[in-house]
Amino acid sequence: GAVVSQHPSRVICKSGTSVKIECRSLDFQATTMFWYRQFPKQSLMLMATSNEGSKATYEQGVEKDKFLINHASLTLSTLTVTSAHPEDSSFYICSLRGRAGNTIYFGEGSWLTVV
Amino acid sequence: QKEVEQNSGPLSVPEGAIASLNCTYSDRGSQSFFWYRQYSGKSPELIMSIYSNGDKEDGRFTAQLNKASQYVSLLIRDSQPSDSATYLCAGYNFNKFYFGSGTKLNVKP
Repeated sequence: GAVVSQHPSRVICKSGTSVKIECRSLDFQATTMFWYRQFPKQSLMLMATSNEGSKATYEQGVEKDKFLINHASLTLSTLTVTSAHPEDSSFYICSLRGRAGNTIYFGEGSWLTVV
Repeated sequence: QKEVEQNSGPLSVPEGAIASLNCTYSDRGSQSFFWYRQYSGKSPELIMSIYSNGDKEDGRFTAQLNKASQYVSLLIRDSQPSDSATYLCAGYNFNKFYFGSGTKLNVKP
């Protein structure tokens, strides 16, 4: 199966600063990656779909100017939380489709705490 | 209406028993379904996928799909305390994955 690496696993930042989270596909080239957010004891929420070489597609209610997604290569997608606020504190998880295209694999996730 | 619905639980079963987790979906066009296990504070990990009506077995896990009833289930035989986690059901259609809110399973020693 696909191997997805996500970094950092935990990050604490000050309110107003920006934080970048990286998601790497280690097993194969991924044209599409997904970014999810999960608040404690809640379900996964799809934030955006990241497409290599083009703009990300954001889900309704997700601010594209706040959550910047860059999928610059077939193995790397980044999520930058800009001007972070305490309410942005959450578990952010990236994922990508397996080779067959109809299975999804998750990265290890990144815990973001904004103080 | 949510695309994928699950009972949030918690579902408690004794060690060694069969745990039965259920999921319903609303989109008849969904092509395939998945069960993920998520331990507290960790990312989901894929347990099983199922695409056709009927049963699919993998070790202690059996996934069941009934497209007419729009129903997916996961059976865990010989449940172990290490199986205690939240189980997420997901459906796939038109390049999108829809996740249920998850069922929390507690396996008591």
